[in-house]
Amino acid sequence: EPEVTQTPSHQVTQMGQEVILRCVPISNHLYFYWYRQILGQKVEFLVSFYNNEISEKSEIFDDQFSVERPDGSNFTLKIRSTKLEDSAMYFCASRVQENQPQHFGDGTRLSIL
Amino acid sequence: DQQVKQNSPSLSVQEGRISILNCDYTNSMFDYFLWYKKYPAEGPTFLISISSIKDKNEDGRFTVFLNKSAKHLSLHIVPSQPGDSAVYFCAASVISSGSARQLTFGSGTQLTVLP
Repeated sequence: EPEVTQTPSHQVTQMGQEVILRCVPISNHLYFYWYRQILGQKVEFLVSFYNNEISEKSEIFDDQFSVERPDGSNFTLKIRSTKLEDSAMYFCASRVQENQPQHFGDGTRLSIL
Repeated sequence: DQQVKQNSPSLSVQEGRISILNCDYTNSMFDYFLWYKKYPAEGPTFLISISSIKDKNEDGRFTVFLNKSAKHLSLHIVPSQPGDSAVYFCAASVISSGSARQLTFGSGTQLTVLP
């Protein structure tokens, strides 16, 4: 069964550095998402991406964050000038069309030191 | 943000019995509801969904019930199996101008099925 894949599974970075989290959505999917889950908290929406542009973003997704679909398969989340509070699990998800569920990857655990 | 609430952090059930997981929401604009299961070190796995035009959807051992007037949905698992032990998340979405259908999650319920 096709699945969303995320790399790396764990990323450790010094505060202030930039990180890029990578995702390969399911190949025929058209809608792409990033969510995060801080330890002990709910899964929170960050951003959605459709037709090569951001379609929605949450208050969390400020100028520190950016997304890109550099080619036909990858979908990346870049976090600049990382802060301690950026430590979380980051989940990528994709969806094929309206009224279909989002499918999630296994996440990247980001640890900021 | 308490738009989707799962008030039971944990639930224990005997193998073979019914598991009932509950979820409440406050945003009347939500029109699509989903249940996800999550094992440790894995991402949420889609289980079952329901549109607001229905009040029940069934898939094998899993049934989701939606009560729009009460803003309440539930997931029934019958019969429960030890492999069902996981965290179950309720999620909801609303059609936005971009139709991106971002999900709003509950806090999850840890289900333990005892052999």
